[in-house]
Amino acid sequence: ELKVEQNPLFLSMQEGKNYTIYCNYSTTSDRLYWYRQDPGKSLESLFVLLSNGAVKQEGRLMASLDTKARLSTLHITAAVHDLSATYFCAVVLTNSGYALNFGKGTSLLVTP
Amino acid sequence: ETGVTQSPTHLIKTRGQQVTLRCSSQSGHNTVSWYQQALGQGPQFIFQYYREEENGRGNFPPRFSGLQFPNYSSELNVNALELDDSALYLCASSSPSGGFSYEQYFGPGTRLTVT
Repeated sequence: ELKVEQNPLFLSMQEGKNYTIYCNYSTTSDRLYWYRQDPGKSLESLFVLLSNGAVKQEGRLMASLDTKARLSTLHITAAVHDLSATYFCAVVLTNSGYALNFGKGTSLLVTP
Repeated sequence: ETGVTQSPTHLIKTRGQQVTLRCSSQSGHNTVSWYQQALGQGPQFIFQYYREEENGRGNFPPRFSGLQFPNYSSELNVNALELDDSALYLCASSSPSGGFSYEQYFGPGTRLTVT
């Protein structure tokens, strides 16, 4: 059974600070996704990481993937209030039709 | 290009009743996946349909069933509703032929409340 663990689950940070969210998964997978969810809303795709060493950046967010360590990170640079949301990582279950297996999410609050 | 749509937006049902949720996939997508997201949790995979056939199933009982139609739209049916079925139900469409990333695009969800 594929397990996906995120930490921290809750994160309160000041505007302008940097922080990293971690996503560990338990079995081999070469495809990892990061999503953002605002309260009461659906999931917005942020990044798709397909190979070991992949790094993608969009604005103040940067995601990376280390398949050997079964670890992905989502780094936040100089946080702003608009980044407040819940962030999920998800790993593909390759024996279930490419279904996504999600972590519990990291609830991020950026304060002034 | 039309995105993924779901109906209804909200639904309130009584324990023991049956419910049908609907999803229209994004144009050109032939695969639909359904997820259940309980409050404060990550989405849990229910099942996936590819070209009208079930293509994988998560740890959900048989009272959760689905269909996919020739136009690739899909239904999720839940029988004998339980209180724990209260959740946001998300539909996602994708197209395995569209590239290796197999990115899934999520609809706005249906909020189901069972009383």
